[in-house]
Amino acid sequence: EAGVAQSPRYKIIEKRQSVAFWCNPISGHATLYWYQQILGQGPKLLIQFQNNGVVDDSQLPKDRFSAERLKGVDSTLKIQPAKLEDSAVYLCASSSSGTDTQYFGPGTRLTVL
Amino acid sequence: EDKVVQSPLSLVVHEGDTVTLNCSYEVTNFRSLLWYKQEKKAPTFLFMLTSSGIEKKSGRLSSILDKKELSSILNITATQTGDSAIYLCAVAGNYGQNFVFGPGTRLSVLP
Repeated sequence: EAGVAQSPRYKIIEKRQSVAFWCNPISGHATLYWYQQILGQGPKLLIQFQNNGVVDDSQLPKDRFSAERLKGVDSTLKIQPAKLEDSAVYLCASSSSGTDTQYFGPGTRLTVL
Repeated sequence: EDKVVQSPLSLVVHEGDTVTLNCSYEVTNFRSLLWYKQEKKAPTFLFMLTSSGIEKKSGRLSSILDKKELSSILNITATQTGDSAIYLCAVAGNYGQNFVFGPGTRLSVLP
């Protein structure tokens, strides 16, 4: 079974630029999560999708962050414009319906200069 | 506000030692508690606990949930250098619509 795929693995941008991350969950997993993990901290949930609907986006900084999962499979997370404090690893995870067990992708390490 | 606290935040032991990692939580409408191991980037799943007092085991690792005390422990016996990692505790609240991770315990196992 293929795992959660993410790209790119690394990204370096300057502040005020835009960036987008892509995630392909495990086949058949209805729930998809985006997390932000700042160095030395645990992952913080940014947004949770159930199929193509948003379940929880209460911690997503909506003035600069956006995410979509148009067809209920792949998802894209965008930051526009980026700030220095957005430097972190962005993790995507997925789970099948009826379970809380999440499987994580390798993450994207974002550095904002 | 929902939160998860882990202790200790950092731990250094020698191979063969037994360690106990702690997780306590405050969350609305608790549904499950999960333990993950994070070595490089992606956390990998260890256990999911939903019922109090039922121990889950996988090799040298075991975990148990105490819903009365709002806490869980993760035990690792006969530690090996390959156990060196960050151990994350997460809680699913609000009927699975709210996931909160703790800060993690960084375990270092010396040869």
